[in-house]
Amino acid sequence: GQNIDQPTEMTATEGAIVQINCTYQTSGFNGLFWYQQHAGEAPTFLSYNVLDGLEEKGRFSSFLSRSKGYSYLLLKELQMKDSASYLCAVRAGNRDDKIIFGKGTRLHILP
Amino acid sequence: DAMVIQNPRYQVTQFGKPVTLSCSQTLNHNVMYWYQQKSSQAPKLLFHYYDKDFNNEADTPDNFQSRRPNTSFCFLDIRSPGLGDAAMYLCATSSDRYSYNEQFFGPGTRLTVL
Repeated sequence: GQNIDQPTEMTATEGAIVQINCTYQTSGFNGLFWYQQHAGEAPTFLSYNVLDGLEEKGRFSSFLSRSKGYSYLLLKELQMKDSASYLCAVRAGNRDDKIIFGKGTRLHILP
Repeated sequence: DAMVIQNPRYQVTQFGKPVTLSCSQTLNHNVMYWYQQKSSQAPKLLFHYYDKDFNNEADTPDNFQSRRPNTSFCFLDIRSPGLGDAAMYLCATSSDRYSYNEQFFGPGTRLTVL
């Protein structure tokens, strides 16, 4: 079966750093995405990892370990606007065009 | 700007009354997806098109149908909506089925079933 796990909720303070973890078990793996979704809005793309290691993009970084079925999204210098849900998604299966989403982690930023 | 457009943004229908949601894109992407997202849940893939090739997920109810008359447009038809079909419906595109690019999402249509 296909399974993607991430914490339901997290809280962090403005200006701090937070790490959101994601573990997955899928039949096949062709890359992992992180999306940001504000309440009532569509997901927006943050990052994509297909090889092991860390990808850095501004305040956001994403890490992947394929052998462990594990990824994390690291957010630095948190801002109030970062309050949102963060969705981990895996391109899985034998067909490259199938993307499976986790339930998302709701991040609350405190002033 | 190139984008994914969904109409309407909010749709109210009655129990059992057919409803159609529309999606259009100016990105000229080959792949279009329909997702259902209920409150605090992950987006659930219903089906997708690679060009005209239709791909239905095994657990998508028969009540849900889709049409893609051309590259730019894709429709989601719900033949007999039930209360459990109330959700946000997200349309997304990607440039190629073998592309490792991200999916581009439309703003979604929030469906209410009375």
